[in-house]
Amino acid sequence: DGGITQSPKYLFRKEGQNVTLSCEQNLNHDAMYWYRQDPGQGLRLIYYSQIVNDFQKGDIAEGYSVSREKKESFPLTVTSAQKNPTAFYLCASSIWGSRDGYTFGSGTRLTVV
Amino acid sequence: GQQLNQSPQSMFIQEGEDVSMNCTSSSIFNTWLWYKQDPGEGPVLLIALYKAGELTSNGRLTAQFGITRKDSFLNISASIPSDVGIYFCAGQLSVFSRLTFGEGTQLTVNP
Repeated sequence: DGGITQSPKYLFRKEGQNVTLSCEQNLNHDAMYWYRQDPGQGLRLIYYSQIVNDFQKGDIAEGYSVSREKKESFPLTVTSAQKNPTAFYLCASSIWGSRDGYTFGSGTRLTVV
Repeated sequence: GQQLNQSPQSMFIQEGEDVSMNCTSSSIFNTWLWYKQDPGEGPVLLIALYKAGELTSNGRLTAQFGITRKDSFLNISASIPSDVGIYFCAGQLSVFSRLTFGEGTQLTVNP
């Protein structure tokens, strides 16, 4: 079955450490996205990528970095420069140029202590 | 940029009641989507709307694409405990536009 996989589900890190969140899809989607969700809040776009080897900043890119070396993979690194990294992170993918919306992963809850 | 106002922010209802929520925008969209997010999970697409005035159902859920293209509505009939979650609307202007999401409606259903 095709889908989008985020791992791990829960992640704990010490303050000052960089951490990388994994996102893999086998839907053959062109575009991939990273969102951040805080408790009781909506979805805020961090980065997105329409095609391999290209990505754009979203609304809250500061303190984050991404890469898109393969169509299937779009890892997100939360750097020590991110002031408040504890949050729920959601990855999504879509066919670029379609009206069918995004398919979301099940999320990674990052806690920085 | 475009903004979506989703209301209400939260709802507390009894099992069996009907639910209505809506999204309004200051500018038009040509696609409206409704998602549901279960606690601790990612959002899942419920209904997609592609044409002004369109009314689409998915089981107990019914959504409408507003005639002005600046709003959309979601109704849930005869709510059950598993309807609990956050409901998001999303609008898309063109096929090459990113989705704009509403802030979500948190639904609590009391058995």
